[in-house]
Amino acid sequence: DAGVIQSPRHEVTEMGQEVTLRCKPISGHNSLFWYRQTMMRGLELLIYFNNNVPIDDSGMPEDRFSAKMPNASFSTLKIQPSEPRDSAVYFCASSTTGTSGDEQFFGPGTRLTVL
Amino acid sequence: RKEVEQDPGPFNVPEGATVAFNCTYSNSASQSFFWYRQDCRKEPKLLMSVYSSGNEDGRFTAQLNRASQYISLLIRDSKLSDSATYLCVVNGANNLFFGTGTRLTVIP
Repeated sequence: DAGVIQSPRHEVTEMGQEVTLRCKPISGHNSLFWYRQTMMRGLELLIYFNNNVPIDDSGMPEDRFSAKMPNASFSTLKIQPSEPRDSAVYFCASSTTGTSGDEQFFGPGTRLTVL
Repeated sequence: RKEVEQDPGPFNVPEGATVAFNCTYSNSASQSFFWYRQDCRKEPKLLMSVYSSGNEDGRFTAQLNRASQYISLLIRDSKLSDSATYLCVVNGANNLFFGTGTRLTVIP
């Protein structure tokens, strides 16, 4: 069974460009999470969906960030316009239900570099 | 104050040593606790859940102290393959809060 799939694995872009990160959760999982990881701040939750509905987006840093989940098998995280301080590893994770006691399964991450 | 705080390390220990990591959490209402492991340039993966009575999984022992809001992980007989970053994780209302991790290197 495939795990969480993310694309691209690496992205290098220039400041001001739009970046779109993609995620396919594990089939049957109802909850999807987007995280950002940096050395300084560790792993930060950006947004969380349950049954395709955004539940908590308080971690989204600013209006330049947006996330969608049009169906149960696909989600995107978009940054427009991108800035150098957005450089980080972005992880998508999924879990079976919305309860916080569930194990979260992480994708391999997208390593983003904004020049 | 951060939801979860950990000593970042690094911890450098010889093979066969016993090593312990600690973390503290700020929300006394938290009910679920975990340790995740993250290898270099890889994604985090669940290592073990932490139960109130403490629990063991082979060489790994996890303890919870609710009164002090403190979680620990003990690794006995360290192996080279234990080298990784260990993340302390605590539940929030709808999600999980991750510590910044403690880096362990096991030396031959």
